[in-house]
Amino acid sequence: GENVEQHPSTLSVQEGDSAVIKCTYSDSASNYFPWYKQELGKRPQLIIDIRSNVGEKKDQRIAVTLNKTAKHFSLHITETQPEDSAVYFCAASIGNSGYALNFGKGTSLLVTP
Amino acid sequence: GAVVSQHPSWVICKSGTSVKIECRSLDFQATTMFWYRQFPKQSLMLMATSNEGSKATYEQGVEKDKFLINHASLTLSTLTVTSAHPEDSSFYICSAAKLAGGETQYFGPGTRLLVL
Repeated sequence: GENVEQHPSTLSVQEGDSAVIKCTYSDSASNYFPWYKQELGKRPQLIIDIRSNVGEKKDQRIAVTLNKTAKHFSLHITETQPEDSAVYFCAASIGNSGYALNFGKGTSLLVTP
Repeated sequence: GAVVSQHPSWVICKSGTSVKIECRSLDFQATTMFWYRQFPKQSLMLMATSNEGSKATYEQGVEKDKFLINHASLTLSTLTVTSAHPEDSSFYICSAAKLAGGETQYFGPGTRLLVL
């Protein structure tokens, strides 16, 4: 079936550095790509999303880029802080229904002071 | 806001019993609710998509007779794990999409199930 690949599985950066997480998807009909942050034992929280009609979106220290031709999208976190430490999941809509999502396997980000 | 609650937050049961988990959208009406399963340090695996007033759509490999889903109103969906076994132990988490609110899914806090 269709799936979403996410890399790296773990990422360790120093406070203040940038972090980049990359995802690829296989369903050419996917048109919605959210990113979620999940802290240990808590629910996933939407941090940013992008739709297929744009190539880039930014919200303060967080940005997402989308390349529909290559079927990949990336999350960029600048000026990382220790509180950014969490597991980050990318997701792609299943088809263009815009609702059901396929999730990547997650990236465990550790920001060290 | 967009708050989703789940009840119970954790449950321990004996093998063979059935467990019901509720998912509620507290301050909005949800066209669609989703049920996921998450094993420790793993991703969220979509189990089924639930639309109010209709039968749930199950993902491949998910037994619909094992995981019964009822979506009786625009604010409530329930997942019943029937005849639970130890291998059903997991973190079950629901999400809801707003009526006429686009694709964004809002997640509940999850229910941790342990079957002894």
